[in-house]
Amino acid sequence: EAEVAQSPRYKITEKSQAVAFWCDPISGHATLYWYRQILGQGPELLVQFQDESVVDDSQLPKDRFSAERLKGVDSTLKIQPAELGDSAMYLCASRSTSGRAELFFGEGSRLTVL
Amino acid sequence: SQQGEEDPQALSIQEGENATMNCSYKTSINNLQWYRQNSGRGLVHLILIRSNEREKHSGRLRVTLDTSKKSSSLLITASRAADTASYFCATDDNDMRFGAGTRLTVKP
Repeated sequence: EAEVAQSPRYKITEKSQAVAFWCDPISGHATLYWYRQILGQGPELLVQFQDESVVDDSQLPKDRFSAERLKGVDSTLKIQPAELGDSAMYLCASRSTSGRAELFFGEGSRLTVL
Repeated sequence: SQQGEEDPQALSIQEGENATMNCSYKTSINNLQWYRQNSGRGLVHLILIRSNEREKHSGRLRVTLDTSKKSSSLLITASRAADTASYFCATDDNDMRFGAGTRLTVKP
């Protein structure tokens, strides 16, 4: 069964460093989401793409976070510089625009900022 | 910002008992979905209920939706230890926003 791929699975970095997360959605899924999940809380939407276009990035801290999906397939989420409060799980999800409305999630990238 | 709010925040039951989790939301929706998350893993879709539906079943899962009260409930019948996980509701109004979740522990 097709899956959403994310890497790295774990990342430890020091504050002020740059980090990047990669996501490859299920083939053919036009909609891609990045969520941040702090331990013990629910996923918080950071950015939503429809193909290569940003649909919603209202909750993305744009002074330090950036996201791109240049060819409308895989996506990268970057943080520069990382802060202690960025420690969280970063989840990527994709959804088909035809038929089923469910989201398919990757296993996430766990970030620890020291 | 999050849309749904689950209640209770945590629930501990014995194997074989039923577990009920509630979700309240604020705006109009196309559908409402429930997801499960094992510790340290990604979320997995469980069930979807459309805004014009009132109840839906899938195996041991039963979901209800009351759009007038902007609330939904997820019932897991005859719970098993393997049902131990966090459960989230998500409202779908073209973007997908999740609540804080209910942490369910099923004791063997």
